[in-house]
Amino acid sequence: KNEVEQSPQNLTAQEGEFITINCSYSVGISALHWLQQHPGGGIVSLFMLSSGKKKHGRLIATINIQEKHSSLHITASHPRDSAVYICAVLPNTGNQFYFGTGTSLTVIP
Amino acid sequence: SAVISQKPSRDICQRGTSLTIQCQVDSQVTMMFWYRQQPGQSLTLIATANQGSEATYESGFVIDKFPISRPNLTFSTLTVSNMSPEDSSIYLCSVDRLTALTPTEAFFGQGTRLTVV
Repeated sequence: KNEVEQSPQNLTAQEGEFITINCSYSVGISALHWLQQHPGGGIVSLFMLSSGKKKHGRLIATINIQEKHSSLHITASHPRDSAVYICAVLPNTGNQFYFGTGTSLTVIP
Repeated sequence: SAVISQKPSRDICQRGTSLTIQCQVDSQVTMMFWYRQQPGQSLTLIATANQGSEATYESGFVIDKFPISRPNLTFSTLTVSNMSPEDSSIYLCSVDRLTALTPTEAFFGQGTRLTVV
């Protein structure tokens, strides 16, 4: 049983396209993170959400606590956005994160 | 600047040797966590490290293989012992909440990509 499900698993887009990655989870959470994993393996935190919506440059993250769902949007995608995007949730109880399996994004010039 | 510094970022090691990964936080934290991501899989918790006590290991992980140190509230190490190619993974440290104002990047290290040959 996986507490965090991501879709799609793989995504290929043309440069400039609008991209959406989805994350659904089954536990009550206090926070949700979106992480970006570069091809070399390095991991960068993009957003931490507990409600509503956040925007940083071309990236937008939303969360619906009632529906246990979050989305990561990339506007005007660029080849440098090519990476694996991982959803991580912090349950209300306990301190460890649960991670999705990641969405591998490839943006073609 | 990053609140958590993890190193090395990557390494290639010979089988049978050991590698120690370090995680340094610039604020005191109660709990530090070590995760592993095997190729094609999601990150899985190895153990939780509390200062002043032995680490708590998840099912499938043992102290002899993954000894952990937590000498103070800002530092932890994970050692991958007697490595085999199956240990080739990304290893990641994270921490529990700092404050409500903790920036997003504070919760995770940058990860260590380990390749065992």
